[in-house]
Amino acid sequence: DTGVSQDPRHKITKRGQNVTFRCDPISEHNRLYWYRQTLGQGPEFLTYFQNEAQLEKSRLLSDRFSAERPKGSFSTLEIQRTEQGDSAMYLCASSHEASGAQYFGPGTRLLVL
Amino acid sequence: AQKVTQAQTEISVVEKEDVTLDCVYETRDTTYYLFWYKQPPSGELVFLIRRNSFDEQNEISGRYSWNFQKSTSSFNFTITASQVVDSAVYFCALSERNFGNEKLTFGTGTRLTIIP
Repeated sequence: DTGVSQDPRHKITKRGQNVTFRCDPISEHNRLYWYRQTLGQGPEFLTYFQNEAQLEKSRLLSDRFSAERPKGSFSTLEIQRTEQGDSAMYLCASSHEASGAQYFGPGTRLLVL
Repeated sequence: AQKVTQAQTEISVVEKEDVTLDCVYETRDTTYYLFWYKQPPSGELVFLIRRNSFDEQNEISGRYSWNFQKSTSSFNFTITASQVVDSAVYFCALSERNFGNEKLTFGTGTRLTIIP
């Protein structure tokens, strides 16, 4: 049983560029979450998918952020026109509705210069 | 609104000592879930426990134990006979069941250092 995987693990980009992150959840998990974690803080919720439907987006998710989960499998998180304030660790988690426990991936660390 | 408070920012103990990490939460829901996660220096969040608000029994798993007290809205975590490998940041989290969306609200974490 493989865990949640995320790609890339690290991303350095220049302000104004677009970036896309990928998350592959645990195969039988139908729920998928994106969180963002900044230094010294706990993760903050960004968005939630149940299968392929995006059911909730946090107010933290500005119009520059978009997430998809085609076919209810992997998910992508895109940030357009990156800003220095977007620098953070982006975490993906998945869970099965029966157990509810969220398992996290290793995260993608984004640095915007 | 939900809130999780971990008042202890950093704790250091000598190896083999017991240590308790405090967690206090706020919620208006009667059905909710409480979690603890460990974040070692590698950065990956490791799931430790999920507890239903209706189950107030304490739980023990090896050297780890959890004390859930609804009356004081606390969900404390104790490590017995601490080891260097326990050094990490520990997060307490809360979720409310909202049509299947169990998004987590995290505390700010407690950095635990075990001194050999």
